[in-house]
Amino acid sequence: GENVEQHPSTLSVQEGDSAVIKCTYSDSASNYFPWYKQELGKRPQLIIDIRSNVGEKKDQRIAVTLNKTAKHFSLHITETQPEDSAVYFCAATISKINAGKSTFGDGTTLTVKP
Amino acid sequence: GAVVSQHPSWVICKSGTSVKIECRSLDFQATTMFWYRQFPKQSLMLMATSNEGSKATYEQGVEKDKFLINHASLTLSTLTVTSAHPEDSSFYICSAGGGNNGELFFGEGSRLTVL
Repeated sequence: GENVEQHPSTLSVQEGDSAVIKCTYSDSASNYFPWYKQELGKRPQLIIDIRSNVGEKKDQRIAVTLNKTAKHFSLHITETQPEDSAVYFCAATISKINAGKSTFGDGTTLTVKP
Repeated sequence: GAVVSQHPSWVICKSGTSVKIECRSLDFQATTMFWYRQFPKQSLMLMATSNEGSKATYEQGVEKDKFLINHASLTLSTLTVTSAHPEDSSFYICSAGGGNNGELFFGEGSRLTVL
């Protein structure tokens, strides 16, 4: 089955700096890679996703890059703000319609210091 | 966006009792819902896929007789933790895909504490 590894487990940055979270996956059949943000005590929410036919996707301060050959993808947050503080999970699965069966990374706790 | 609601948000029960958690899709129909377990500072682990009108599909290592799932309608799935024990204490989250783009939405989660 799929195995997703996520690094780092914790990340602390100063407000305004960039944050990068990296994930690797093992199953070459995976083609959909979502990222979820989970604030303390709240539900995970999709913040950005990427399909394997795309190398990069950007949405305002958030971007995701994918290297399908190397089987790794990364989340980039620029100009971080305190409200970006949360746990971020990467995931991998065959397709978006199978997102519920994603294999999730272990999460990265991001702390943005004001 | 589509909303998935979970109830109760927290529950405390005595060892040996059963607890039911509900997951509802509020503004869309969900033929499939998913149940996860999340330990502190750990990831979401898929427990089972709930299928409307048919049996749930359980992941390897998940006891189907322990975690009963019922998906009786297109908007409601229930997870019943039977004969709960302290090791069943955890955060349980459901999800469902909805909307035109199929985005996955999560419930608020239910924190179960078994004394």
